[in-house]
Amino acid sequence: NAGVTQTPKFQVLKTGQSMTLQCAQDMNHNSMYWYRQDPGMGLRLIYYSASEGTTDKGEVPNGYNVSRLNKREFSLRLESAAPSQTSVYFCAVTGAGLHEQYFGPGTRLTVT
Amino acid sequence: QKEVEQNSGPLSVPEGAIASLNCTYSDRGSQSFFWYRQYSGKSPELIMFIYSNGDKEDGRFTAQLNKASQYVSLLIRDSQPSDSATYLCAVKEGAGNNRKLIWGLGTSLAVNP
Repeated sequence: NAGVTQTPKFQVLKTGQSMTLQCAQDMNHNSMYWYRQDPGMGLRLIYYSASEGTTDKGEVPNGYNVSRLNKREFSLRLESAAPSQTSVYFCAVTGAGLHEQYFGPGTRLTVT
Repeated sequence: QKEVEQNSGPLSVPEGAIASLNCTYSDRGSQSFFWYRQYSGKSPELIMFIYSNGDKEDGRFTAQLNKASQYVSLLIRDSQPSDSATYLCAVKEGAGNNRKLIWGLGTSLAVNP
């Protein structure tokens, strides 16, 4: 996971609470992604950012917001958490080659 | 809908054998193909990528691509218990500068000592 960090590693929320997942990269690359991974569902793209100041919806954006304030950081916000958002969340960054992605260590989120 | 399909497994092989993992994709415009390894409780880790038809070797790993048949495979030679993991196939969506990947659900591999 060299170059991509995520905080926190674990989080438990009650339904309706809000929180922000943080992702930072020191790879100096433009494209960043937020995925969630659930058993049997694989990796699903929530939002991505092709460059600083731009964001686009992925496959499952409902219930989430994102912010790309600078090249290094891409945050994911849950405004009102729901049990269906219990998942493992990964941030990824596109590498210097042709579209490979490098992942952060993940955040394991439980919503009760 | 663009799809990447993998056999979920589990694929069980004895130590020292060759493990063969397969992936098919639906988007004929795809140009870049990736294999990731994911240990339980960890994040996906890139192990191989391939862009051209044919074979690409890296140590004990060989990626094979056949664009006409729309499949990509990963061979692991001399399999070790430490290779036991889920292997994810990913395909770049379409041609051009779109940087999204389409992901398979993964194949679970168990290497038995």
